[in-house]
Amino acid sequence: DQQVKQNSPSLSVQEGRISILNCDYTNSMFDYFLWYKKYPAEGPTFLISISSIKDKNEDGRFTVFLNKSAKHLSLHIVPSQPGDSAVYFCAASLSNSGGSNYKLTFGKGTLLTVNP
Amino acid sequence: NAGVTQTPKFRILKIGQSMTLQCAQDMNHNYMYWYRQDPGMGLKLIYYSVGAGITDKGEVPNGYNVSRSTTEDFPLRLELAAPSQTSVYFCASSFGTATDTQYFGPGTRLTVL
Repeated sequence: DQQVKQNSPSLSVQEGRISILNCDYTNSMFDYFLWYKKYPAEGPTFLISISSIKDKNEDGRFTVFLNKSAKHLSLHIVPSQPGDSAVYFCAASLSNSGGSNYKLTFGKGTLLTVNP
Repeated sequence: NAGVTQTPKFRILKIGQSMTLQCAQDMNHNYMYWYRQDPGMGLKLIYYSVGAGITDKGEVPNGYNVSRSTTEDFPLRLELAAPSQTSVYFCASSFGTATDTQYFGPGTRLTVL
């Protein structure tokens, strides 16, 4: 049972355009969401997060939107740059659930390619 | 700061062999985690630790053991390696709960033949 789904295995965009990566979740108890970025042969690195009490969080070129009613979040990258080419993982957690609040549930990832 | 370090980077094991994947962090983090990533899949939590001497199972603990005798180190032991354990293993650490950023090591690519 996949609780965090990234249905697009890959996405290709032109440099300077917007990249939109999508993520859906099934567990309505999730209340904290994160995006990680991963380059080949490296570990994932944290990119941006959002709490369920917000519907938007922005950090420079990266914005995450959360639609709780649809159980959907998206990551917008504007403008996209070739260095953004990487695998992006969506992750979710239950931040206020006692013993399980350390566990991140990851999606399968989306490979973003930004073409010069 | 080296952050989170993992050794070895690569390893090939024969079925039935055992090995220990090493993980160390120098950020004085209390929480440490082991994940595995199978091809085309997300990361799955194997074990985690909330402090020295305290460990607990994650989503996929079968076939693995951990120990945490110091704050810095969190080794993962594979006993009787099986082809199903072929994967990339990532260690991570954080200060506290899942709302704190988890910092990942570079990974260990393990192949069991």
